[in-house]
Amino acid sequence: QVQLVQSGAEVKKPGASVKVSCKASGYTFTSYDINWVRQATGQGLEWMGWMNPNSGNTGYAQKFQGRVTMTRNTSISTAYMELSSLRSEDTAVYYCARAGYCSLSSCPEVDYWGQGTLVTVSS
Amino acid sequence: EIVLTQSPDFQSVTPKEKVTITCRASQSIGSSLHWYQQKPDQSPKLLIKYASQSFSGVPARFSGSGSGTDFTLTINSLEAEDAATYYCHQSSSLPRTFGGGTKVEIK
Repeated sequence: QVQLVQSGAEVKKPGASVKVSCKASGYTFTSYDINWVRQATGQGLEWMGWMNPNSGNTGYAQKFQGRVTMTRNTSISTAYMELSSLRSEDTAVYYCARAGYCSLSSCPEVDYWGQGTLVTVSS
Repeated sequence: EIVLTQSPDFQSVTPKEKVTITCRASQSIGSSLHWYQQKPDQSPKLLIKYASQSFSGVPARFSGSGSGTDFTLTINSLEAEDAATYYCHQSSSLPRTFGGGTKVEIK
């Protein structure tokens, strides 16, 4: 069965960086995109960007451009999301989620999600 | 960016009642609209993809309809386990966006 298992909770100081991992199993890692979505406590879902594990190509939401980097290690079927220059507003649960490749006209649904990683930014 | 507006924000419903949640897109997205269920302290789970296609293993009481800009998620004969927040999500164009969510409470 498809599983995305994320790394554990993190506490960071303002200005620091955090790197969250997402290990995939139950499918061919390089055949699906990995998206990252975050959710502040009691709030809705916010899409951060995507990565194609096969090519390494990425696309980031404008809000996070310059602060987020999505990478992967195909030998261990693991995707990573690093967010820098953290501020208190970045306190949230971060999810990785699988989706099929986008076509020229649109993208498919996000189908499976990781369990989430709580990142707390506090001085 | 495509904005998705869900209504209502909150709904309190008795078991076996029918629930209807709507999602309106700020521009036409064809059928690239998907629905998720999120229970407290859990990650979202896909219920309906492409407006009306049920995802594997989802109970038949969940159904979706719509196209273009107006979409509906229907839960027929609500069960206690359906207490959750429901989100719509569009994948028609990047950035992907989500609706604000509809919280369904069981009376």
